Amino acid sequence: SQQGEEDPQALSIQEGENATMNCSYKTSINNLQWYRQNSGRGLVHLILIRSNEREKHSGRLRVTLDTSKKSSSLLITASRAADTASYFCARRRGQGAQKLVFGQGTRLTINP
Amino acid sequence: DGGITQSPKYLFRKEGQNVTLSCEQNLNHDAMYWYRQDPGQGLRLIYYSQIVNDFQKGDIAEGYSVSREKKESFPLTVTSAQKNPTAFYLCASSIATGGLGEAFFGQGTRLTVV
Repeated sequence: SQQGEEDPQALSIQEGENATMNCSYKTSINNLQWYRQNSGRGLVHLILIRSNEREKHSGRLRVTLDTSKKSSSLLITASRAADTASYFCARRRGQGAQKLVFGQGTRLTINP
Repeated sequence: DGGITQSPKYLFRKEGQNVTLSCEQNLNHDAMYWYRQDPGQGLRLIYYSQIVNDFQKGDIAEGYSVSREKKESFPLTVTSAQKNPTAFYLCASSIATGGLGEAFFGQGTRLTVV
């Protein structure tokens, strides 16, 4: 994939469990972003991690970045039914890093 | 309230017709983007613009056209040359800082060919 790969494509867990989603990419980055999309809606930005950062936290979200492996992961702790959504990683590429491209996403379902 | 607005929410097109999707933002963002999303899939970049009167093709520009006459507006025209236009279309904007800046999205337009 030109954008990068996310895995798994779909993830179903019980409420209260942790959810981990992974994103791999092919070319160098200066930052990587994670977004959330509720069904039939626009995307909402969650967190941005820069290439010189290894880990970043925001509430129940934890993002890690391993530039040597060209991969990132998003961890949602203590999941809730309201976390059910699709999650996408995104990065910029092209001249001046102008193009913002997205992966295929992970569809997360939290079962009550 | 600042934000990005797409209209209409639902759009039906007959085969052979051109249709235009509206995208307006009042965030004072320089950069704007159009994406296409098919069911269960990720977002594919159609066109993007970093400044007024300038725009670039994305990864799937064939059958689409855009204009950027005003900073606030970035309309997308789906032409009759687009053979499979039924999809969910998303517009986004961001500050243009050479790689930084989160994108803000509209709520999307669902286009159906009838």
